[in-house]
Amino acid sequence: QQQVKQSPQSLIVQKGGISIINCAYENTAFDYFPWYQQFPGKGPALLIAIRPDVSEKKEGRFTISFNKSAKQFSLHIMDSQPGDSATYFCAARGGANNLFFGTGTRLTVIP
Amino acid sequence: GAVVSQHPSRVICKSGTSVKIECRSLDFQATTMFWYRQFPKQSLMLMATSNEGSKATYEQGVEKDKFLINHASLTLSTLTVTSAHPEDSSFYICSAKSGTVSNQPQHFGDGTRLSIL
Repeated sequence: QQQVKQSPQSLIVQKGGISIINCAYENTAFDYFPWYQQFPGKGPALLIAIRPDVSEKKEGRFTISFNKSAKQFSLHIMDSQPGDSATYFCAARGGANNLFFGTGTRLTVIP
Repeated sequence: GAVVSQHPSRVICKSGTSVKIECRSLDFQATTMFWYRQFPKQSLMLMATSNEGSKATYEQGVEKDKFLINHASLTLSTLTVTSAHPEDSSFYICSAKSGTVSNQPQHFGDGTRLSIL
């Protein structure tokens, strides 16, 4: 059972455009929602994270929007660059500090 | 800070061999370490959680006798894949978390690609 659903599976964006990746969850006990960036052959790197008592968090070109009532959250990458091309995973943390990952979004930014 | 080192980065070995993968936290004490498995183009699936000095907690469907986890110190956890077979070929990734409070993030290693011939 996939605890965190992520879409789209793949995304192609022009350089300078906005990349948007969406995630949804069911378990209201989740208390922390990080986004990870993974390059081929590497482990995931923490990009940005949010807690459910905040509706938006921005760090540089990356913004998380969080809708607690809808149990949805999204990652926006502004001014997308070719170097942003990677696989992005959303995740949610459960009570045992376990992370449940989404299925990933492969982002390609075209120059 | 918060660097997690995983070794080796790649292993190729024959079927029936046991393989040990090390996960080290280089600049912090990891009270909890996690082991994940990732198949190509798929998400990370948690295999087990280990706390320093205690037995690992395995996720449903993960054979504890097949995947031996040891977390003997605050900076080192090992995963041993015993009698590995081709279906065990995968990308294994560890992560580490410091402290006992829940607001500490997990920091990931760069993974180990295991190929069983």
